Amino acid sequence: AQRVTQPEKLLSVFKGAPVELKCNYSYSGSPELFWYVQYSRQRLQLLLRHISRESIKGFTADLNKGETSFHLKKPFAQEEDSAMYYCALIIQGAQKLVFGQGTRLTINP
Amino acid sequence: GAGVSQSPRYKVAKRGQDVALRCDPISGHVSLFWYQQALGQGPEFLTYFQNEAQLDKSGLPSDRFFAERPEGSVSTLKIQRTQQEDSAVYLCASSRRETYNEQFFGPGTRLTVL
Repeated sequence: AQRVTQPEKLLSVFKGAPVELKCNYSYSGSPELFWYVQYSRQRLQLLLRHISRESIKGFTADLNKGETSFHLKKPFAQEEDSAMYYCALIIQGAQKLVFGQGTRLTINP
Repeated sequence: GAGVSQSPRYKVAKRGQDVALRCDPISGHVSLFWYQQALGQGPEFLTYFQNEAQLDKSGLPSDRFFAERPEGSVSTLKIQRTQQEDSAVYLCASSRRETYNEQFFGPGTRLTVL
């Protein structure tokens, strides 16, 4: 069965430090993976998707099929990065998103 | 333009009551999704519409849950005889057909069943 695992519920780093939010998935097909972010008092929004291979707000994520991972990284964290982050995959043909449990990232000044 | 809107934003129901949650998708978006997000969890898929057709309802937890989108625009999620375990945030999302996998989310309805 398809599953997304985010092993860290909470992650706290200092401003300017590198940050990595872990995401592992299990899916028998060819996955399409996403990172969604929810800032305080805002709605869930797409941060980036692996097929775009772009950097958004300094974040990048590389799909590693061998390790079945899609970790989110940023070299220098900023206070405005504090938010809830969800990794998700889409099931081909079904269109529904399968989410991980989320990681709450806190950037300390 | 306006994003996905949901109403009410908060709903308190006594156990056994019926509730109806509304979703207004982005204009022109063909696909509409409902998700349930329990406290401390990620959203979980409930059901999916393409226009007025409900193509997937595999995530509905019981026959007390019912969703409709009769004119292919506004959707309503109805929960009959609410139970305490129904307490959650209910999220609606919509997407354009040609970019079906970019879903735009509404603010959610927080349902509390006492």
